[in-house]
Amino acid sequence: QITLKESGPTLLKPTQTLTLTCTFSGFSLSTSGVGVGWVRQPPGKALEWLTLVYWNDDERYSPSLKSRLTITKDTSKNQAVLTMTNMDPMDTATYYCVHKDSSTWSFVYWGQGTLVTVSS
Amino acid sequence: SYELTQPPSVSVSPGQTASITCSGDKLGDKSACWYQQKPGQSPVVVIYEDYKRPSGIPERFSGSNSGNTVTLTISGAQTVDEADYYCQAWDSSTAVFGTGTKVTVL
Repeated sequence: QITLKESGPTLLKPTQTLTLTCTFSGFSLSTSGVGVGWVRQPPGKALEWLTLVYWNDDERYSPSLKSRLTITKDTSKNQAVLTMTNMDPMDTATYYCVHKDSSTWSFVYWGQGTLVTVSS
Repeated sequence: SYELTQPPSVSVSPGQTASITCSGDKLGDKSACWYQQKPGQSPVVVIYEDYKRPSGIPERFSGSNSGNTVTLTISGAQTVDEADYYCQAWDSSTAVFGTGTKVTVL
């Protein structure tokens, strides 16, 4: 059974850096084809893909946010960490951790999401 | 950057067919999937690789891909299908979500 859970701060001030941790179970990030990434959703708005890291350390980023994002993985801890710099109130959103399936090219498994609010 | 466009809303009567479109440049050359999201819940994939249904997804959900448009069809829509639906595709190994469609069944 695959599960993912996000953890991190719920409130940030503008210009601060967001660090979110995804802790997962039921699969290994060292398995060929597997990836873990992040998707966010501002309140009442659409889903937005942010980033993905693959089993082979290949990293992919949203072109519009690439300069602010970093994703890392710790295979031994079954974790993936998202870092987003220079947070703005427009970055207020629910942030989801997602598992990319190697065979379906879709995000079959999602975390429950964590709401991050950016406010002074 | 690559964009996927969906209609903001679709309404359907119970038992009727709802079709949700998703348009993007050369989308027919890519593989698309669809997610269903109900209020307060994480999205669930209902169609992957254009037309394939994951186990547990009802047969009334189907997908197609032609030209620059992919379509999600709900045949015999039920009130439980009322939700937001998002298409998603890959462009240069980066994922892109559509703008989302709110499906109302009434």
